[in-house]
Amino acid sequence: DAGVTQSPTHLIKTRGQQVTLRCSPISGHKSVSWYQQVLGQGPQFIFQYYEKEERGRGNFPDRFSARQFPNYSSELNVNALLLGDSALYLCASSPLGAEAFFGQGTRLTVV
Amino acid sequence: DQQVKQNSPSLSVQEGRISILNCDYTNSMFDYFLWYKKYPAEGPTFLISISSIKDKNEDGRFTVFLNKSAKHLSLHIVPSQPGDSAVYFCAASPDRGSTLGRLYFGRGTQLTVWP
Repeated sequence: DAGVTQSPTHLIKTRGQQVTLRCSPISGHKSVSWYQQVLGQGPQFIFQYYEKEERGRGNFPDRFSARQFPNYSSELNVNALLLGDSALYLCASSPLGAEAFFGQGTRLTVV
Repeated sequence: DQQVKQNSPSLSVQEGRISILNCDYTNSMFDYFLWYKKYPAEGPTFLISISSIKDKNEDGRFTVFLNKSAKHLSLHIVPSQPGDSAVYFCAASPDRGSTLGRLYFGRGTQLTVWP
């Protein structure tokens, strides 16, 4: 069975640019969450979507946005990239009320 | 404001011995706790969880203990194996009843199991 898949796996962007990260959840999972993991820290919650609606938002600026599609896949967009946005971005999917399963992540480097 | 704390950044254990990873939390609203394991270049993998109504949950070599009064949980791995070498994250959720969309993670503990 396919797990959570994220694309791309690695990305290099310049300050000020915009980036879109993609996530396909495990089949049957309707909830998708996004996390940012900076080196040396644990994952920090960015967004959670369920049935295409935003169900939670972490303490991130409005430059971060996301959406979920009818097939439950999701995109995370970050505008006006800063050097500090360099991190591993993780997507997790879960059936309602159960543990979250993570993808391998997208490593974003902002130069 | 770190609501989930893993105060030991690293732990080194000999193969066959017990590994004990510790985690403390500050938010009394947390009612579900999880441990994830992470290898380099991979996403976190769910390991074991425990509800706040229990004080112990066991799954094979892995046991999680919860002390609600102390706001402390620990993960025991017995016996430890070299393949267990990874970063272990403690995570907590305030509302398992709906969805675990929001997890609060500690900074992780790097476990090294040597032969």
